[in-house]
Amino acid sequence: NAGVTQTPKFRILKIGQSMTLQCTQDMNHNYMYWYRQDPGMGLKLIYYSVGAGITDKGEVPNGYNVSRSTTEDFPLRLELAAPSQTSVYFCASSQSGVANYGYTFGSGTRLTVV
Amino acid sequence: GEDVEQSLFLSVREGDSSVINCTYTDSSSTYLYWYKQEPGAGLQLLTYIFSNMDMKQDQRLTVLLNKKDKHLSLRIADTQTGDSAIYFCAEREGRNTGFQKLVFGTGTRLLVSP
Repeated sequence: NAGVTQTPKFRILKIGQSMTLQCTQDMNHNYMYWYRQDPGMGLKLIYYSVGAGITDKGEVPNGYNVSRSTTEDFPLRLELAAPSQTSVYFCASSQSGVANYGYTFGSGTRLTVV
Repeated sequence: GEDVEQSLFLSVREGDSSVINCTYTDSSSTYLYWYKQEPGAGLQLLTYIFSNMDMKQDQRLTVLLNKKDKHLSLRIADTQTGDSAIYFCAEREGRNTGFQKLVFGTGTRLLVSP
């Protein structure tokens, strides 16, 4: 199994540009998440989804949008990129009712906004 | 809201034991986790402990949980250079048995020198 796959791995954006970070999982997990990781700040939850068609905001949703049209895919959209969105973005998934398994993470997307 | 705190940095010599500490605030947390992040990679689940346990041992890893003080620790015996990484503590937020949102600490960077 591939687990959680994120693309691209690296991207440089200019201020004001838009892009979509792709995330797909092949484990049939109900729950999916987007985090950003800033140095010394740990992981902050941007958005999450408990199933296809259902999404909700996390701690830091401003400047981002998500959709969940299928169980497998959970893309993160950045509109009007700003330097404050320079970060490493991680997608994760988990199975409902199996708390002891925690999350499965993708390998991340390193985004720089210049 | 819930908060998870860790020291930012720990340096040890190869062969010594490492102890990484974490404090959390949600007394209703049912599961607590330790994740490892190697350079350029996503987070991988190392181990977890259920809140009705005081200790869990898994090969070189020992997790201790003090619920009264809301303190979690991870001990790595015979630390090797390959253990150099960032270690994240996380608590499971919320009482819902299905959806599990994890709150992550800031991460502790472990440096193991030969």
